[in-house]
Formats: sequence, C-alpha cells, structure tokens
Amino acid sequence: KNQVEQSPQSLIILEGKNCTLQCNYTVSPFSNLRWYKQDTGRGPVSLTIMTFSENTKSNGRYTATLDADTKQSSLHITASQLSDSASYICVVSAPGYSSASKIIFGSGTRLSIRP
Amino acid sequence: DVKVTQSSRYLVKRTGEKVFLECVQDMDHENMFWYRQDPGLGLRLIYFSYDVKMKEKGDIPEGYSVSREKKERFSLILESASTNQTSMYLCASSPLGLLATGELFFGEGSRLTVL
Repeated sequence: KNQVEQSPQSLIILEGKNCTLQCNYTVSPFSNLRWYKQDTGRGPVSLTIMTFSENTKSNGRYTATLDADTKQSSLHITASQLSDSASYICVVSAPGYSSASKIIFGSGTRLSIRP
Repeated sequence: DVKVTQSSRYLVKRTGEKVFLECVQDMDHENMFWYRQDPGLGLRLIYFSYDVKMKEKGDIPEGYSVSREKKERFSLILESASTNQTSMYLCASSPLGLLATGELFFGEGSRLTVL
C-alpha cells in the first residue's frame, strides 16, 4: 500500500535554532512531493514542490531535499521564528492518473517554536 | 489569491442530526474535495468532484454524501451524524491542470463536534 510516513510526530525547538523534518514514502511510481504548512486552526498551504529530477529547493528559510532513490525527503528550517510554529505535512502524488486518490498525505510533524 | 470559504468554522450537533457543510471557491476550479483530518491519521479523502454533478468516492465515504449543483459550490452532508464523525473537515479545490501536481487550495476548515 502506498504510504507516506513523517518523523518526528512533534518537535519543540528554541527560536533561532534550525531543525529538519523527515518524510519517507513508498508511493511508486512517483510524480512529485509537496510540503504543506498548516497553522493552527487554518487549512494547509503549499510551501514547495519537488519533482523526480530535483534534489534541493529553497523557499526563503525553508529548504526541501529529495532523494528519489531512497524515497526520502526532508524539510530544513533555518533560524526558526515563532511564526514557524505549525504542522508540516508531506504529500506525495503518483503520475498518470487524475484522481484525487493518487494524492497521499502524511500525518504531519507538529513543530513548536519556543521564545 | 484563491479563496476557498467554508461556511462554518465550528459546529456542535447531536447524534442523529443532519449536518450540512458548505464550501465555495472563487477561482473557477474544476476539482473540489472534502477531507477529514484527525490527529495521527493525516488527511483522508471523503469525496472528490471533478465537475458539476459529478462525484467520486474517496477513501472513507461511508456516512457521508455530497452535492455539487454549481461549479463553485461543493457541499458535504452527514445524513445522521454520529460521534465518530467528530473531526476537522477540510474543503479544497484545484484547477484541472494542477491536480497531477498535488496542489490543492484549502479552506480554513470546519471543526464538527457530535454529542
């Protein structure tokens, strides 16, 4: 069964520190991988998308990496800010099929930034 | 900016009541979705609609129905609410060409409590 596993489930760090969130997937074949940020009480918002051929992509203080061979992705947050407190969700899509059932969500990592 | 509006942020209903959750998007997107989000389980697809009056069951359609009479509006109906339907419900939309990339635009969510 296609799955997306994220670790850790939750993480607490001090403001200004860096952190890395992990995503492992078994979806095959694979089309692309997105990281979403979900603030408390809000809907998820896309941060970045990575396709099969991409290894690294940055969006401000967020850097996503992808290793398609090992089926692993990470989201690195640099110099964390209080506003980074949120859940981060890894989402993997399978190619060649338009159904929404081919969009598979991880259960998310809950990140808390402490002042 | 894409705007996906869910009619109710918080609802409290009693077991057996009929519940309507409304969702409206303003970007003329073909695809609309209803997900439920529970701690540790991630987002699970309830129903998906790719056109007016068209619908497709997701992973957990039991106990739910949907209606899409107009392109911009997608309603989720709980015919007889039960306590195990207490959850956060998220509506999303996506244009036809972006569904394969996994980019979804989410509403703010509707937190339903069934007593």
